[in-house]
Formats: sequence, structure tokens, C-alpha cells
Amino acid sequence: AQKITQTQPGMFVQEKEAVTLDCTYDTSDQSYGLFWYKQPSSGEMIFLIYQGSYDEQNATEGRYSLNFQKARKSANLVISASQLGDSAMYFCAMREGPGGDYKLSFGAGTTVTVRA
Amino acid sequence: SAVISQKPSRDICQRGTSLTIQCQVDSQVTMMFWYRQQPGQSLTLIATANQGSEATYESGFVIDKFPISRPNLTFSTLTVSNMSPEDSSIYLCSVGVQGAGYRQYFGPGTRLTVT
Repeated sequence: AQKITQTQPGMFVQEKEAVTLDCTYDTSDQSYGLFWYKQPSSGEMIFLIYQGSYDEQNATEGRYSLNFQKARKSANLVISASQLGDSAMYFCAMREGPGGDYKLSFGAGTTVTVRA
Repeated sequence: SAVISQKPSRDICQRGTSLTIQCQVDSQVTMMFWYRQQPGQSLTLIATANQGSEATYESGFVIDKFPISRPNLTFSTLTVSNMSPEDSSIYLCSVGVQGAGYRQYFGPGTRLTVT
């Protein structure tokens, strides 16, 4: 079964507007971590934001925030005030287990195109 | 965070040859992970490399095709052997960094084209 589901293959957003990227996950572990990465056309994977399963507050990193709804098993990424440089592929990923020695499972990704 | 470098950044190789990709981290880490990203696809884990022991391979990946070395806590190599055009991908290494949430960081990737 898919562990991470991203249902939006592509999205268009107007510059300066906010955009929400959907991510749902499936795990039976109590301790897990959720990540969002940005991949521009250069191919590098840029860490954006992290949410731990025990974190009570939604994570925020600058213009990025993670809307974590544990009961619904969703971890949506919100990008506020979109910029042209935000055009990229965005991946949601999950680490099952508490530590750094655990691999990530990735969703299929969402392509975001920011229009001027 | 962690600063991760990979060499080469890109390469074009002939079918049947091998390429070794290097991954260097600026701090000691227990595990290093190697991922493959085929064109237009998501990332797939190839193997997990633990210093001092053999790498653990995911289903569909074998040591003969993707031998991995992990000689110390800051360095690893992945070799893509007997390449075919299907091996054309971006290869990325990553590490988990202790701290808030064991964030996982990626190297810049190696873009491989096999002709």
C-alpha cells in the first residue's frame, strides 16, 4: 500500500497568493516524522519543513507551514505569498520510527508553477 | 543541518561501463542512504549504508549492480555497474542529522545519462 499519497500532480498559483499542497500518509507506528522537500529543475532536494508525530504545534519555517491533522493522517504544506522561485516539484515524505537511521518513503510529488 | 557533497555532479556514460558516485558529509553520521530518481518519477531508496557493515538493499536492488562502500562515518560511495540506459537517473545520498526531529538532508545529486 502507498505510504504517502499526493493527489495533485500539478498546480498553478498566482504570484503573492498562498497555495496548499496535499499529503496523506499511512502508518501504524506511533513515532514517525513527516517532511516536505522542494526539488527545482536542478535536481537537488531542498529540505523545507519537518513535523514529528508527537509535536503538538504545527511546524512553520518562514513562508512554509505544515497543517498537521494526525487523526486524518494528513500533513499539508502551505506556502504563503508565493514567489516565482517557488516553481518546482514538491515531495512529501515520511520516516517511520523515531530516529535518524530510518529511511524515507516519498509521495509522487506535486509540480507547482507560479504565475506572474 | 548537514553539508553534503557528491561527485560527480553529472556524467554521461557508455552502456556496459561502471560509475562510482562519492558522497561526503561534513559531520559523522551513523547511516547514509542512497536514492534513485528516474526521469519524471519520485525517489526510490536503493540501500542503507552503515559504517562497518554491509549495506542493506531494498527490494529490486542488488549488491552486484549497486555495490556500496562505507569506509568511515563521513563518506560513502555507490557504484552503478554494467550500466544500461535504464540506469539514467539522478542518484542522491542523504543523512539523518540528530537534533530537532532527525531531519534528513540530501546531497546535490548526481545526474547520470547512459547512452
